[in-house]
Amino acid sequence: GESVGLHLPTLSVQEGDNSIINCAYSNSASDYFIWYKQESGKGPQFIIDIRSNMDKRQGQRVTVLLNKTVKHLSLQIAATQPGDSAVYFCAENVDLTGANSKLTFGKGITLSVRP
Amino acid sequence: DAMVIQNPRYQVTQFGKPVTLSCSQTLNHNVMYWYQQKSSQAPKLLFHYYDKDFNNEADTPDNFQSRRPNTSFCFLDIRSPGLGDAAMYLCATSRGGSSYPLNTEAFFGQGTRLTVV
Repeated sequence: GESVGLHLPTLSVQEGDNSIINCAYSNSASDYFIWYKQESGKGPQFIIDIRSNMDKRQGQRVTVLLNKTVKHLSLQIAATQPGDSAVYFCAENVDLTGANSKLTFGKGITLSVRP
Repeated sequence: DAMVIQNPRYQVTQFGKPVTLSCSQTLNHNVMYWYQQKSSQAPKLLFHYYDKDFNNEADTPDNFQSRRPNTSFCFLDIRSPGLGDAAMYLCATSRGGSSYPLNTEAFFGQGTRLTVV
């Protein structure tokens, strides 16, 4: 059968609090980073992205921070809502030759929002 | 309207019986990706096409093949499915190229859940 995988770490937050989800990436040549949200039985959904020449980018209720020195990415969600409950993945884009590039995913984190 | 469409949503196949999963896109994107996602794990890139150029990941088993007959369609062929190949298979597209951000955002389909019996 399917091999047993590691359970994803879980972050549990109270509704209304801020959430911080962290990710370590591996490739120093990555030039673009994306946070995805994945709900059960669905494909990943784009949340926010950041280019490697930036260290912060803000969306409507989300902020992404990039620290290239330690290869660390974080997603901050303000005023967390029950609808934010999902698995969150960071992804990195690596340029290949020419205009080719590829997108690879980091380990995910389950966000659980307590009412 | 869905822009990346995967068919079927659920596929049951017999151990060792070849199976094909399909993906179509209406975005006219250059890049199409196939990912394998097992329970409680991150999507794992199997391979991707940049236009007609096929890019295989080094650790993708030979049992997995892909075809892209035209811009809109891409297929994942599993030649001899084993029980360990049961997973969600995700297709994604992006415009491709080096111009941020329009060319790098990836759009995902809803996935095909493959069961091997």
